[in-house]
Amino acid sequence: DVKVTQSSRYLVKRTGEKVFLECVQDMDHENMFWYRQDPGLGLRLIYFSYDVKMKEKGDIPEGYSVSREKKERFSLILESASTNQTSMYLCASSFRTVDTEAFFGQGTRLTVV
Amino acid sequence: AQSVSQHNHHVILSEAASLELGCNYSYGGTVNLFWYVQYPGQHLQLLLKYFSGDPLVKGIKGFEAEFIKSKFSFNLRKPSVQWSDTAEYFCAVNWIQFYFGTGTSLTVIP
Repeated sequence: DVKVTQSSRYLVKRTGEKVFLECVQDMDHENMFWYRQDPGLGLRLIYFSYDVKMKEKGDIPEGYSVSREKKERFSLILESASTNQTSMYLCASSFRTVDTEAFFGQGTRLTVV
Repeated sequence: AQSVSQHNHHVILSEAASLELGCNYSYGGTVNLFWYVQYPGQHLQLLLKYFSGDPLVKGIKGFEAEFIKSKFSFNLRKPSVQWSDTAEYFCAVNWIQFYFGTGTSLTVIP
């Protein structure tokens, strides 16, 4: 079974802190994604990566950056956390770009106070 | 870019009732289509997927969906829901990246 593991289930951070959310997948998938999930808004793509050191902006990249130094690991960085970034963050991976499904981690609920 | 519309935001059904959740997408070319489910406190799981071939696809737990290309639709159905189907359901389209609808919250009353 594909496993996508997010480093934290719950996080509480202060406004202005730099926050790192880590995600690791164990199936040698090419693509990795970061979404945020908010009630009534569904899943919105923040960034995705289709190869090591490659990244593409999604629909809501402002206030976020990402890093993919190794194929299995994709990190989401909040440079200076703000209260409007309080949300559920979901990491996903997929084998390739087409004819493939996405596999999700369990999510990180981030609260910024 | 794609957009995905789910018409029902909250659905409440009694056990054994039939379910149909609507999903429409915007792009008319070749796409991959999915329904994902999120049970309370759990991660998103794949219910079913359509890549090509038979437009009626069957998934886990008795769910099925029908791809109608002319209507850009991929509606989810189940003939008889159970209390354990209480969850949030997301329709998704894969076209370069994965685009998700806003979700439908289903509550099944025993």
